[in-house]
Amino acid sequence: SQQGEEDPQALSIQEGENATMNCSYKTSINNLQWYRQNSGRGLVHLILIRSNEREKHSGRLRVTLDTSKKSSSLLITASRAADTASYFCATDVYPQGAQKLVFGQGTRLTINP
Amino acid sequence: GAVVSQHPSRVICKSGTSVKIECRSLDFQATTMFWYRQFPKQSLMLMATSNEGSKATYEQGVEKDKFLINHASLTLSTLTVTSAHPEDSSFYICSALSGGAPDTQYFGPGTRLTVL
Repeated sequence: SQQGEEDPQALSIQEGENATMNCSYKTSINNLQWYRQNSGRGLVHLILIRSNEREKHSGRLRVTLDTSKKSSSLLITASRAADTASYFCATDVYPQGAQKLVFGQGTRLTINP
Repeated sequence: GAVVSQHPSRVICKSGTSVKIECRSLDFQATTMFWYRQFPKQSLMLMATSNEGSKATYEQGVEKDKFLINHASLTLSTLTVTSAHPEDSSFYICSALSGGAPDTQYFGPGTRLTVL
């Protein structure tokens, strides 16, 4: 079952603008990760934020985590055409000691030149 | 580092045949690998967790006799779709856990399976 809910489902912006995607989850987590997927390709790991962290940066990416609201956001600043992709959040679930990732539904981001 | 490959990248087969998909960690050892399925414009659904040297753990609703998983070495896991049917057509993606970064799964490029 999918734990994460992402919004918006689709986002289309002009190159150079900032893109914000949100993710909500239901259960307690150890960490939350964001991945990017280009059409028909595998996933690329972008950033991991732990449950005791509130904000993390990596280049043009900024991730926030609010465990009280069970939500996270991914901000991409100064967007580029190459950022066009689907973005997924994933939360870790540790049933019986085995790590599992539960993915959100994803946001399809389109950057228009 | 932390590169995962899959083979083949695309496969087309006839209904009733079996298809094997390989997942390899190229520059690290992976005691745990995962198999996901992704339908068009949807998210990834975990099918099973593959542990080296032991039986795979399947998610609820995934038929273990239909999706055979073998994790024979620390760098290779295989998924065999047996007696494939058109509804098995999907994008299959594997991932691997690296001991150097135990929280991060590294994903393969995926295999597009089309069953005619």
